[in-house]
Amino acid sequence: QKEVEQNSGPLSVPEGAIASLNCTYSDRGSQSFFWYRQYSGKSPELIMFIYSNGDKEDGRFTAQLNKASQYVSLLIRDSQPSDSATYLCAVKYGGSQGNLIFGKGTKLSVKP
Amino acid sequence: DVKVTQSSRYLVKRTGEKVFLECVQDMDHENMFWYRQDPGLGLRLIYFSYDVKMKEKGDIPEGYSVSREKKERFSLILESASTNQTSMYLCASSFVGSSYNSPLHFGNGTRLTVT
Repeated sequence: QKEVEQNSGPLSVPEGAIASLNCTYSDRGSQSFFWYRQYSGKSPELIMFIYSNGDKEDGRFTAQLNKASQYVSLLIRDSQPSDSATYLCAVKYGGSQGNLIFGKGTKLSVKP
Repeated sequence: DVKVTQSSRYLVKRTGEKVFLECVQDMDHENMFWYRQDPGLGLRLIYFSYDVKMKEKGDIPEGYSVSREKKERFSLILESASTNQTSMYLCASSFVGSSYNSPLHFGNGTRLTVT
């Protein structure tokens, strides 16, 4: 059974701080990793993806991947109240025909 | 921008009714998916399709069927709606391309209530 685990939160950070969201996955053959943001009542929207070990930066967002530890994280710098949402980690495993396995999400709250 | 359109934003149906949820994408994506999302359970894959007339069962296909007669359209069918099928239904699409960089693009979702 391929699993993706996230702390459900809520994770509360003050405005301007760094928010750190974590995700672990069970399948060592997993190939690529995606972070989605989902506002309440809305559908998930892609923030970024990563498939190589190390860091990948896009604006205020940095994804970090450690395949040896089966761990992926998302850092949000200079957090804003508009970042308050649920963040979903999704994994594409080896042999997949394109479907992703999603974690249950971490709820982030950024306090002004 | 990829556009995935779901035909209804909110839907209320009675137990036993046959329900059709429609999804259309405009990016010529090969893959299309139906998920349902429930509090505490996250996103669960119902069915997916990687080509016209092709379909694969996901994790929770019981009580559902799908149809993909055209590449851009993927329909989810609830043969006989039950109250435990009350949920948010999300359609998504992706291109085949490289296995590394083909994210899912989601529609706006259909919130189905079965009474």
